[in-house]
Amino acid sequence: DVKVTQSSRYLVKRTGEKVFLECVQDMDHENMFWYRQDPGLGLRLIYFSYDVKMKEKGDIPEGYSVSREKKERFSLILESASTNQTSMYLCASSSGQANSPLHFGNGTRLTVT
Amino acid sequence: QQPVQSPQAVILREGEDAVINCSSSKALYSVHWYRQKHGEAPVFLMILLKGGEQKGHEKISASFNEKKQQSSLYLTASQLSYSGTYFCGTEVAGGSYIPTFGRGTSLIVHP
Repeated sequence: DVKVTQSSRYLVKRTGEKVFLECVQDMDHENMFWYRQDPGLGLRLIYFSYDVKMKEKGDIPEGYSVSREKKERFSLILESASTNQTSMYLCASSSGQANSPLHFGNGTRLTVT
Repeated sequence: QQPVQSPQAVILREGEDAVINCSSSKALYSVHWYRQKHGEAPVFLMILLKGGEQKGHEKISASFNEKKQQSSLYLTASQLSYSGTYFCGTEVAGGSYIPTFGRGTSLIVHP
């Protein structure tokens, strides 16, 4: 079974702090994704990566950046956290082949105060 | 652009059937379906490719009508374990093959 592990289940940070959310997958998947989940808005794509050091903006990249230095690890960075970034963040991976399903981590609930 | 899911919420009794719809304004290449239980990660159910195929997973099946740019998820004889939020994810023809998710449909099954 594919395992996608997010380093923190809950995080509380202060406005203006730099925040790192870490995600690791163990299936040698090419693609990795960061989604944001808010009530009533569904899953919105922040960034994705299809290879090491490669990244593409998703639908809501503003205020975020990402890093993929190793194939198995994909980090989401909030350069200066703001209260409107309080949300559930979900990491996912897929094999990169057409029609491949996404495998999600359990999520990180981030609260910015 | 997010696909539109309907209804937003469904409340059922065990054994009843439900249909969840997912429609897009763009030509679709495929449709994914996922279920997320409260406090858990979304879990993949199935992918449907253009061609109008129908797929099944336990008593859950789905269809994809590429002409109408929509997919429907059918839950037959609902069980308590079917409760959760269902998301469709659509891949646009000629796009990046990254699914865009709808806002979700909350399904509650009562005994």
